[in-house]
Amino acid sequence: KNEVEQSPQNLTAQEGEFITINCSYSVGISALHWLQQHPGGGIVSLFMLSSGKKKHGRLIATINIQEKHSSLHITASHPRDSAVYICACQRANTGTASKLTFGTGTRLQVTL
Amino acid sequence: DAGITQSPRYKITETGRQVTLMCHQTWSHSYMFWYRQDLGHGLRLIYYSAAADITDKGEVPDGYVVSRSKTENFPLTLESATRSQTSVYFCASREDSWETQYFGPGTRLLVL
Repeated sequence: KNEVEQSPQNLTAQEGEFITINCSYSVGISALHWLQQHPGGGIVSLFMLSSGKKKHGRLIATINIQEKHSSLHITASHPRDSAVYICACQRANTGTASKLTFGTGTRLQVTL
Repeated sequence: DAGITQSPRYKITETGRQVTLMCHQTWSHSYMFWYRQDLGHGLRLIYYSAAADITDKGEVPDGYVVSRSKTENFPLTLESATRSQTSVYFCASREDSWETQYFGPGTRLLVL
C-alpha cells in the first residue's frame, strides 16, 4: 500500500461543478502539499498546510491531522482547471531536508 | 530571469552513454532536489542537496550521480544510461522546511 493515496485517480466534471479530490496518508507528517501539473508538464505548488484550511481564489485545501486526510476543493470549476493534482506529504523526522512523498495524482478534466 | 531552469528540455540518448541534466536556480535556495516521474508512480526522489557540497541519496539513487559545487547549480549525471532511466526528470528547490518547493519545467529523457 502506498504511503500517500489519492482518490479518485481520474475525474471528469462539467464546467461550474464543485470538485473534491482526496488524499490519505499513513506516515507522520509535518506538512502536506497540493501541487498542480498542467498538460504541458510544469508543476506548480498550490498549497502547503499543516493544519486547518487554506483558500486561494476558487481553490480550498483542508487537512485533518487526526484522520490523516486532506481534501482539495475547486469551486465553480472551469476548463482551465483541467490538470493533474498531486498530493505530497512532507515527512516528519526526516531531518532538515523534510523530503516529500508523493501520491500518484488525480487527473481532472473539466468540460464545457 | 529569476526562477528555476532545466536543460536540456528534451534528450534522446543510447544505452551506455553518459548524460548530464542541468538545473539552475536564481534564488540561492539552500535545498535542491532531483525527481523522476514515471507512469503509475508518483514523483520519486533521486538525490537532494541541503547546501553546496552537501548531497544525499533519495529513494531511487542507483545509476545516478550528483554534485553541487555552487549553490545555484545541481547537475544530475546518468553515468551509463539504461532504458529504465527513460523518464521525465524534475529539479526543484526550496529555501527551508517551511517554504514552498519550486519545480523546474522538467527534462524528458528517452534512452534507446
